[in-house]
Amino acid sequence: GQQVMQIPQYQHVQEGEDFTTYCNSSTTLSNIQWYKQRPGGHPVFLIQLVKSGEVKKQKRLTFQFGEAKKNSSLHITATQTTDVGTYFCAGRGTGANNLFFGTGTRLTVIP
Amino acid sequence: EAGVTQFPSHSVIEKGQTVTLRCDPISGHDNLYWYRRVMGKEIKFLLHFVKESKQDESGMPNNRFLAERTGGTYSTLKVQPAELEDSGVYFCASSQVSGARTEAFFGQGTRLTVV
Repeated sequence: GQQVMQIPQYQHVQEGEDFTTYCNSSTTLSNIQWYKQRPGGHPVFLIQLVKSGEVKKQKRLTFQFGEAKKNSSLHITATQTTDVGTYFCAGRGTGANNLFFGTGTRLTVIP
Repeated sequence: EAGVTQFPSHSVIEKGQTVTLRCDPISGHDNLYWYRRVMGKEIKFLLHFVKESKQDESGMPNNRFLAERTGGTYSTLKVQPAELEDSGVYFCASSQVSGARTEAFFGQGTRLTVV
């Protein structure tokens, strides 16, 4: 079955440092989505990437979709305490309507 | 517009009992997903409905879990009989089937504790 892996599983950073999480799929994806789950909350949609090699930015967040559409990354510049939470990627397979979530990266920002 | 709602928000039951979780998706969303997150780990897929049809139930752990979506509106997930390892947060999400924006909107989740 389809698998989506993320690394690292956990990341502790000092406030102001950068952070990156990587997502890898075992199969080619039609698109990839990123979600953020705050502690005690539910996943909230951040962005969707569709095109090969696509790069999108949201303020301090930069999202990339790999050329082969099998991997993606999320980079946060100059982390803030409000960035804490677990970041999940979610891939949608070609011809499929389902979303498979990655294992998630839990980010802790130390003030 | 109302979001995805789930009932109950919390449930504590004894091993061997039955629990039914309910999810009301966003109106007009034909896709409905059930996910489970155990002990702060990954969000694991359980199953996927398109309208009233089960599109993919490959993530259902075993036959103690039964999901329904009669009429293609709300969905229920029944666990019978519950076991200790079933504890976790059960999330429901809905999305449009097609269009430019097909992101999943999540409910607040049901925290199930089996004791």
